[in-house]
Amino acid sequence: DTEVTQTPKHLVMGMTNKKSLKCEQHMGHRAMYWYKQKAKKPPELMFVYSYEKLSINESVPSRFSPECPNSSLLNLHLHALQPEDSALYLCASSRLAGGETQYFGPGTRLLVL
Amino acid sequence: GDSVTQMEGPVTLSEEAFLTINCTYTATGYPSLFWYVQYPGEGLQLLLKATKADDKGSNKGFEATYRKETTSFHLEKGSVQVSDSAVYFCALSPMGTYKYIFGTGTRLKVLA
Repeated sequence: DTEVTQTPKHLVMGMTNKKSLKCEQHMGHRAMYWYKQKAKKPPELMFVYSYEKLSINESVPSRFSPECPNSSLLNLHLHALQPEDSALYLCASSRLAGGETQYFGPGTRLLVL
Repeated sequence: GDSVTQMEGPVTLSEEAFLTINCTYTATGYPSLFWYVQYPGEGLQLLLKATKADDKGSNKGFEATYRKETTSFHLEKGSVQVSDSAVYFCALSPMGTYKYIFGTGTRLKVLA
């Protein structure tokens, strides 16, 4: 099974709201990723967790706060977002880092009003 | 730095036509190379991959060969179907890093 699940599928939030995106995998992967994808663009890496520790933060604004409570779960906490943060947020996982195949979830489509 | 260059789209083909989507890369060492497909409103699905020179990845009739001498990983399919309409991303992962470097994506539209 190479499935990565993400919830919710769609999310609409105001600029003062706090919400969270959730990602889960049960493949025993030890690396998990958050990407942001704008329309007609490739995914842009935001964060990388390796063995539940944050390894890479691609200079993402602090209104995005990642969390990895355990090896199967990855959250992205959202607070005080801007309309330009509206995008498809993709989670991915890989067995390990470094040239490994990443398996992507279906994404959460976020609209910030 | 490392980079991936894909042919500009959109590519429009008739059903059963031959498909080639060009992908070239710049990287040091021997990165792993991937093709991902994204259907409308969905996430990325791995289509195929190759991890060393001269490897051929294949899946669902799609093929790509890792060519070190030409730094290319072109995607081909002998006979496309309407259901192949999607956006195709070429990507590389440098050795020893967490990162994927994606190309800009090529939109394919197949007409019945």
